[in-house]
Amino acid sequence: TAGITQAPTSQILAAGRSMTLRCTQDMRHNAMYWYRQDLGLGLRLIHYSNTAGTTGKGEVPDGYSVSRANTDDFPLTLASAVPSQTSVYFCASKGQNTEAFFGQGTRLTVV
Amino acid sequence: GENVEQHPSTLSVQEGDSAVIKCTYSDSASNYFPWYKQELGKRPQLIIDIRSNVGEKKDQRIAVTLNKTAKHFSLHITETQPEDSAVYFCAAVREGNNRLAFGKGNQVVVIP
Repeated sequence: TAGITQAPTSQILAAGRSMTLRCTQDMRHNAMYWYRQDLGLGLRLIHYSNTAGTTGKGEVPDGYSVSRANTDDFPLTLASAVPSQTSVYFCASKGQNTEAFFGQGTRLTVV
Repeated sequence: GENVEQHPSTLSVQEGDSAVIKCTYSDSASNYFPWYKQELGKRPQLIIDIRSNVGEKKDQRIAVTLNKTAKHFSLHITETQPEDSAVYFCAAVREGNNRLAFGKGNQVVVIP
């Protein structure tokens, strides 16, 4: 069982370039989330989606966009990366009355 | 969204002692309260959760207590072991809303 997977595992990206972080789950969970994790700041919610076709902004949405064309996929796009977006990114999914499951994380370095 | 605060930010305990972490939340409609554990370099994983219709839940050395009136819930770890060293995150969720926002986390260090 795959659960929830993210790609890539790590990436070095030049400032100003765009990039899409991929997230796929096979648990048919309605809700999906993107977080960034920085030392001392915990898990900060970037964007979320309650169901396919809908998205919402979290605490730190600026500089990021998401889409939810289907239940399984929830990609996160950085249109023009900046060094402050260097972070570890976690995707998660949650079903109704279930726990949230996290992907393995993507370590992104913007130089 | 739900505002969740965790205290203390860092907690050091001697092996075998108990550790208690407290979370406060602001949304009185929150009805689901999970605790996640994140070991260094790994993804967060659920260790215990509680729903608003109960006041306490226990699973071996881990327990969670909920005080809805005061809007806080706590994680209790008894007989701590070195493998309990990790960052612990709490969240307060209104089921159906599904906006899952976490506190800043508590670093627990168990000293052998």
